[in-house]
Order: sequence, then structure tokens, then C-alpha cells
Amino acid sequence: DAKTTQPTSMDCAEGRAANLPCNHSTISGNEYVYWYRQIHSQGPQYIIHGLKNNETNEMASLIITEDRKSSTLILPHATLRDTAVYYCIVRLDTGTASKLTFGTGTRLQVTL
Amino acid sequence: DAGITQSPRYKITETGRQVTLMCHQTWSHSYMFWYRQDLGHGLRLIYYSAAADITDKGEVPDGYVVSRSKTENFPLTLESATRSQTSVYFCASSDGRVLAGGLWNEQFFGPGTRLTVL
Repeated sequence: DAKTTQPTSMDCAEGRAANLPCNHSTISGNEYVYWYRQIHSQGPQYIIHGLKNNETNEMASLIITEDRKSSTLILPHATLRDTAVYYCIVRLDTGTASKLTFGTGTRLQVTL
Repeated sequence: DAGITQSPRYKITETGRQVTLMCHQTWSHSYMFWYRQDLGHGLRLIYYSAAADITDKGEVPDGYVVSRSKTENFPLTLESATRSQTSVYFCASSDGRVLAGGLWNEQFFGPGTRLTVL
């Protein structure tokens, strides 16, 4: 699975958009990009995933560059409850097992 | 609608003792996973199971044993606990649905078990 690089921490004002970057320069053509987040003391929570095209759901948007070497998770209107560690994960879904490899993620602090 | 539960939520034990952490899910998901999380590390996969009676090692399996006799349960046993196994343990499950040629990889995580080995 491709390695990812994320900033250690970021701050965002409440109500503003939070843009969390992720570099995955060694990604291969059939590897997916996943985002999870972990609010303090809780289990991780799935946010979104994508392959090539930009994706949007009720939680966030995922923007993947055309060369797929990087992506950005966008929380359009961050709230205090979005304070968490955000994990960018790149992996190949082989159909035999759905394992995830978590890095250390980005700690997002949303402030008033 | 309990979803995925773990027990106990907190456990203190001594070196050399056997400890079993329980994980139960009510969705009939085929896949189940055990992760550990330590300060300075992300989550690391210990073991996973694709179905009842099918288990496989993850990244850090040494010192752990798993079984899966029923789809809904996936217990994790530390046969002889060591201080290095002090950690927060998360169980997760996934239905493994195939979507557009790949697995739908959404994993649902339990609340975690905080284990301290003295």
C-alpha cells in the first residue's frame, strides 16, 4: 500500500472550511484514498473515500488531483465537534481482505 | 441497535496473566479486525477475520491469539500479558460489499478497551 504524508497538526476557526492535505506520491492506479477521523478516546470513524473523481457526502468533500499524487479533505463548515485526528489512508482493495494501515494523521483543532 | 461493542472497557492486569478482550457486532458483518493504538503511533492491525473460522495475522500479531467461532464475536486473547501490551485496543467490523470493482472498505469501530499491564 502507498505511503501517505500529512501535516502533524492544523487549526481552523469554527464556521470556516477546513482543508486537510495528504500526499501519496507513490499511489498506483487502482489504489483508493480513504479518510477516517478519530475524536478523542473514541474509535475511528469513516468519512469518505475515492479513486479518481472528486467525491462529496454529507460529512465532507474529497478532492483528488489529476495525477492522484495528493488529495484534500474538505470540511465545509467546521464545528468544534470536528476537532479530531484525521487519517488519510491509501490502499488497494484486492477483494481478499479489507485491511487499513493508519499513519499518525493530522490533529485538527477547531477554535471559536 | 447496539452495533459493535467491546468489553471490558477498562482492564488492569498483571504481567503473565491471560486476558481476553471481547468484541461483538450485531450487523452480521463478515469482516472483523483488532487494532491496538499506542501513543505516537496510529492504529496497528493485530489480527483480522474474513468470516467465521477464518483468521489471519496483521502487522503486530505476536503475543495475541484470536478465534471466530461465530460471525458476531471476535475475541482477542493475550495468553501471557506483558507490559508492552499496555495499549488501547479497538475492534472493527466491515461488511466487505463489492462496489465498482473494489471492496467497500468502511470499517465500523467499537469504543475501545483500555488495557494496562502492570
